Amino acid sequence: DQQVKQNSPSLSVQEGRISILNCDYTNSMFDYFLWYKKYPAEGPTFLISISSIKDKNEDGRFTVFLNKSAKHLSLHIVPSQPGDSAVYFCAASGGFKTIFGAGTRLFVKA
Amino acid sequence: KAGVTQTPRYLIKTRGQQVTLSCSPISGHRSVSWYQQTPGQGLQFLFEYFSETQRNKGNFPGRFSGRQFSNSRSEMNVSTLELGDSALYLCASSPGTDTREQYFGPGTRLTVT
Repeated sequence: DQQVKQNSPSLSVQEGRISILNCDYTNSMFDYFLWYKKYPAEGPTFLISISSIKDKNEDGRFTVFLNKSAKHLSLHIVPSQPGDSAVYFCAASGGFKTIFGAGTRLFVKA
Repeated sequence: KAGVTQTPRYLIKTRGQQVTLSCSPISGHRSVSWYQQTPGQGLQFLFEYFSETQRNKGNFPGRFSGRQFSNSRSEMNVSTLELGDSALYLCASSPGTDTREQYFGPGTRLTVT
């Protein structure tokens, strides 16, 4: 039962271009959505979040968009930098549970 | 403030054995969640504790159990280890009463042979 899905296991982008990572969820009880970034041998670190009452949240180069009717959210990174190369996890939170997607590995080529 | 710490960082066990992993949350955080990370499966939610009470549990067999102590430190135990239990086990602590804001430890890499 995958309540949070990241259908692209990997994404390759040229430095300076836009990276778009996608995530779908199935449960309407989720009211808060987050993106985490993970480097090898480290735990995930929080990147950006959005409440279900909003449709966009921006923080520097990172913007998260939420489409509640489609149960879809996306993370935009502009411009992409080689240091952004990592695994990105989408997460949906409701109550005392946070469910993570399988992750998307982003490669930013110099 | 010190971050979330997990011990041990690496562990090798034999099938059929049991294992106990430890997590110390950030000072002042009372919620602790546990996740299992395997390639292609992302982070699978195991359970969450708040003030020594398990508030939520994922879809794992009863061989996986946990507890939280009065100082918020948490342990998880896996009995009768199987090869498929090989994974990175991550612990995360949260400052509030919900789990929206989570701070992760570096994880414990468990290998079952």
